[in-house]
Amino acid sequence: QVQLQESGPGLVKPPETLSLTCAVSGGSISSGAYYWSWIRQHPGKGLEWIGHISVSGGTYYKSSFKSRVTISLDTSKNHFSLNLSSLTAADTALYFCARDFSSGIDVWGQGTTVTVSS
Amino acid sequence: DIQMTQSPSSLSASVGDRVTITCRASQSVHRYLNWYQQKPGRAPSLLIYVASSLQSGVPSRFSGSGSGTDFTLTISSLQPEDFATYYCQQSFTTPRTFGQGTKVDIK
Repeated sequence: QVQLQESGPGLVKPPETLSLTCAVSGGSISSGAYYWSWIRQHPGKGLEWIGHISVSGGTYYKSSFKSRVTISLDTSKNHFSLNLSSLTAADTALYFCARDFSSGIDVWGQGTTVTVSS
Repeated sequence: DIQMTQSPSSLSASVGDRVTITCRASQSVHRYLNWYQQKPGRAPSLLIYVASSLQSGVPSRFSGSGSGTDFTLTISSLQPEDFATYYCQQSFTTPRTFGQGTKVDIK
């Protein structure tokens, strides 16, 4: 079955840009009507949707991130990525990649912790 | 954005109890409402999608109901492995939005 694995730096300095990658295994990122998503969770808090990208490359972002977020798809490497710029301590969180099939999010990565600190 | 409000925020229950969690949307999401379970240090996992469909592999003691703005997750007989935090989420539109979570712990 499809599995997702996040990778990226655990520590980033403000106001640098965070770059995370989600490797998709067990299936093609190009197949099916899925949205490939990024979601984060601040320590001890709830889930915050950041945005997603469709197989056709259409992107949708939460408005509070819109000016500093980019999600992209690399079908040749079977992965998708999150770039989040102008980082502050408020971006310290656990970041999940996930697969959204429109009626729910059925596959999640294990999550990667990102700390923003100088 | 559609706001999702869960109640209660936390509850204490015993093994064998029937547990009900509610989720209210700020506008109709039709039946595009999903429920997730999250245990500490783990990613969430999908329990129920489109209000009442049980995700493959999820025990039948979990059930969901509702439509429009009001939804319910029910655990018919709480098991030790069910102590966790539960989230609702609407997938009717973007941005996807989650409820704040309901933590179920041991009484």
